Amino acid sequence: EIFLTQSPATLSLSPGERATLSCRASQSVSSYLAWYQQKPGQAPRLLISDASNRAPGIPARFGGSGSGTDFTLTISSLEPEDSAVYYCQQRSKWPYTFGRGTKVEIK
Amino acid sequence: QVQLQESGPGVVKPSETLSLSCTVSSGSISNSFWAWIRQPPGRGLEWIGHVHDSGITNYSPSLKSRVTMSVDTSKNQFSLTLSSVTAADTAVYYCAKEVLGATGLIQSWGQGTLVTVSS
Repeated sequence: EIFLTQSPATLSLSPGERATLSCRASQSVSSYLAWYQQKPGQAPRLLISDASNRAPGIPARFGGSGSGTDFTLTISSLEPEDSAVYYCQQRSKWPYTFGRGTKVEIK
Repeated sequence: QVQLQESGPGVVKPSETLSLSCTVSSGSISNSFWAWIRQPPGRGLEWIGHVHDSGITNYSPSLKSRVTMSVDTSKNQFSLTLSSVTAADTAVYYCAKEVLGATGLIQSWGQGTLVTVSS
């Protein structure tokens, strides 16, 4: 099973600041890494597929990068509505797995 | 955009079987992978498994001995059964649709249904 380690566990930033979230895989997942956003009481929402492809309707301030074992989700300028938990997920090898999430708090 | 809606009991007794269905609307259930993912209260997401309308299934190794998934194309529904449940199976259960041609990538989610295992 491929383990995904997300860091930091919590990120507290002000509106307009840049957020950098990390996801590290226990073995290479090539580019088969996605990022999801989950707000309280809601289902997750796909942000980024295959490491760097923004999903339809996702604002341009969300960007993904990386390949192999190290990946980054960047929110270039935080908005209040970006307060959420962000999960990475690999689909390179079954069982597909999620990281434990990074909680982004807006000051 | 396909719509997904989970249905089933909100409470299941320990040692009994959890059964959930997911109704697919605004789209066909054919030629796609359909997933079940769960989230214990206050915790992260866990893949349970997925099923294709052709009958292909993949289950999480940690749950494989207790899980069955199937598709009913006549009802545009797919289902999950999880046997011998314990309190550790208490979670919000999501049904989801995987992107065509990108197995494992979830584009559409149900709203989720909380299942509590309690006597």
